[in-house]
Amino acid sequence: QVQLVESGGGVVQPGRSLRLSCAASGFTFTTYGLHWVRQAPGQGLEWVAIISNDGSYKSYSDSVKGRLTISRDNSKNTLYLQMNSLRPEDTAVYYCAKGGSFDLWGRGTLVTVSS
Amino acid sequence: QAGLTQPPSVSKGLRQTATLTCTGNSNNVGNQGAAWLQQLQGHPPKLLSYRNNSRPSGISDRLSASRSGNTASLTITGLQPEDEADYYCSAWDINLSAYVFGTGTKVTVL
Repeated sequence: QVQLVESGGGVVQPGRSLRLSCAASGFTFTTYGLHWVRQAPGQGLEWVAIISNDGSYKSYSDSVKGRLTISRDNSKNTLYLQMNSLRPEDTAVYYCAKGGSFDLWGRGTLVTVSS
Repeated sequence: QAGLTQPPSVSKGLRQTATLTCTGNSNNVGNQGAAWLQQLQGHPPKLLSYRNNSRPSGISDRLSASRSGNTASLTITGLQPEDEADYYCSAWDINLSAYVFGTGTKVTVL
């Protein structure tokens, strides 16, 4: 079954860290770039980061640059998002998505940053 | 990073036609075109169209996308109740080296 499954969300205090994972199955993982996209409660979609198929290229939105790090383990078919120095405004559902056109999405994992 | 501009809402009657717009600039929509995504309430987004008018398999041919200059459009003909959703556009911005999303349009079928 072709799918992406996010995990690792939860409630975390401001300033702390969290690592999200996205497990892929049903397609050739090493062929595709992957994204993280987030959606704050009641708000629109915000692109967070992209990583190329081999991990050699990464790009970030200005709002997360220097605090969030995208990575992947092609031997495990898994995408990651390391989130450091978390802020209340990082509270959102975090989705992973496949390919240059976002042709496959996971169901998301909720991150709540609150004291 | 500035996003792409979409009208907040569009309301049309059953079986009517709705045209959604997405305005960017020459670094994003005008250069690379736009993808269109649909998000039903409580669900993740789903790709409807990419590279301006290529539809993934399983997407209805009632949907068609186009681009004129820095504005992309998504036309939904024969509106059905299941078309009620939020619609987003997205494009790669060559100046920012980043993707940008539209502000989203909520479609209501009356």
